[in-house]
Amino acid sequence: EAGVAQSPRYKIIEKRQSVAFWCNPISGHATLYWYQQILGQGPKLLIQFQNNGVVDDSQLPKDRFSAERLKGVDSTLKIQPAKLEDSAVYLCASSLEYGSSYEQYFGPGTRLTVT
Amino acid sequence: SQQGEEDPQALSIQEGENATMNCSYKTSINNLQWYRQNSGRGLVHLILIRSNEREKHSGRLRVTLDTSKKSSSLLITASRAADTASYFCATVDYNQGGKLIFGQGTELSVKP
Repeated sequence: EAGVAQSPRYKIIEKRQSVAFWCNPISGHATLYWYQQILGQGPKLLIQFQNNGVVDDSQLPKDRFSAERLKGVDSTLKIQPAKLEDSAVYLCASSLEYGSSYEQYFGPGTRLTVT
Repeated sequence: SQQGEEDPQALSIQEGENATMNCSYKTSINNLQWYRQNSGRGLVHLILIRSNEREKHSGRLRVTLDTSKKSSSLLITASRAADTASYFCATVDYNQGGKLIFGQGTELSVKP
């Protein structure tokens, strides 16, 4: 079974530029998550989708971050414009269904450096 | 916001020794999960313990949960160099929509 795929693996941009990350979850997984992990910290949930609907985006900085999962499969996370404090690893995860009893499977992440 | 605090922040041991990591949290939980993160790789789920459980085992892993003290511990027995990684606890509170809230992690180094 293929795991969660993410691209790119690394990205370096200047502040005020835009960037987009892509995630393809495990086939058949209805729930998709985007996390931000700043160096030395644990991941923080940014947004959670159930199929193509948003379940939780309470910690997404909506003035600059946006995410979509139009067909309920793969997803993109965009930052526009980027700030220095956005430097982090962005992790995508998926689970079979919504709910804490379902194990989340994580992708390798995209390491973003904003200069 | 971060829920858990993990202790120690870093731990260095020799191969074959046991490693113990602790996690404390602040609010009520429904379950607590432990994850491992190797350098440059994503997180891997290790074990889940429910709020009505006190101890759980999986291979060389032993997790305990004390809800009265709002704390959990992860014990790795007979450690191997391949256990070198960061370990995170994550709590789930259904009052917060059931999402995972991660601690800051313990960085474990196992020397051969």
